[in-house]
Amino acid sequence: SQTIHQWPATLVQPVGSPLSLECTVEGTSNPNLYWYRQAAGRGLQLLFYSVGIGQISSEVPQNLSASRPQDRQFILSSKKLLLSDSGFYLCAWLPAGFTLGELFFGEGSRLTVL
Amino acid sequence: GQSLEQPSEVTAVEGAIVQINCTYQTSGFYGLSWYQQHDGGAPTFLSYNALDGLEETGRFSSFLSRSDSYGYLLLQELQMKDSASYFCAVNGGATNKLIFGTGTLLAVQP
Repeated sequence: SQTIHQWPATLVQPVGSPLSLECTVEGTSNPNLYWYRQAAGRGLQLLFYSVGIGQISSEVPQNLSASRPQDRQFILSSKKLLLSDSGFYLCAWLPAGFTLGELFFGEGSRLTVL
Repeated sequence: GQSLEQPSEVTAVEGAIVQINCTYQTSGFYGLSWYQQHDGGAPTFLSYNALDGLEETGRFSSFLSRSDSYGYLLLQELQMKDSASYFCAVNGGATNKLIFGTGTLLAVQP
């Protein structure tokens, strides 16, 4: 079966510290991968998406970056966190070649920057 | 630019019917999706409309009018567990990049 895992689930980081969130997908190959961020009480903002290894598209300019070192691994990083980076980060995947609207989301990573 | 508009909050009572509307303006359009998100959880998929008309899945139905850039989610026989946020999302292209609306918080009261 196909599953998606995301970690860590919760983290509290000081301003200026680095960040690394990891997402892995199992049971599929060459998926489209996405990072979304959700501020408290708000909608989902698309940050990055990837259609293949090493292929990253950025939607919103910011101090975050994404990488896809392996087919089923997607990493969200920052060198120096800002207070405004706090939020609920969601990784999602979709089988390659599909044009459906059903994304599969991970459990999410709740980041608080102090 | 791309934008999706939904009402911010809707309140209804158990057993009632509620409709959540969504209007969109996007550069491309493949289809309209609906997601449910309970507080603290991840969004889960409810429905997808690529063509005009009504799609029914149990107590939930979703409608799309491409000419009007409009859709809605219809929830029937409301239950307390339906209290959640509901998001519409547009699939704007071949990369399946879903752009989400700001969400509608549905409160179901006894």
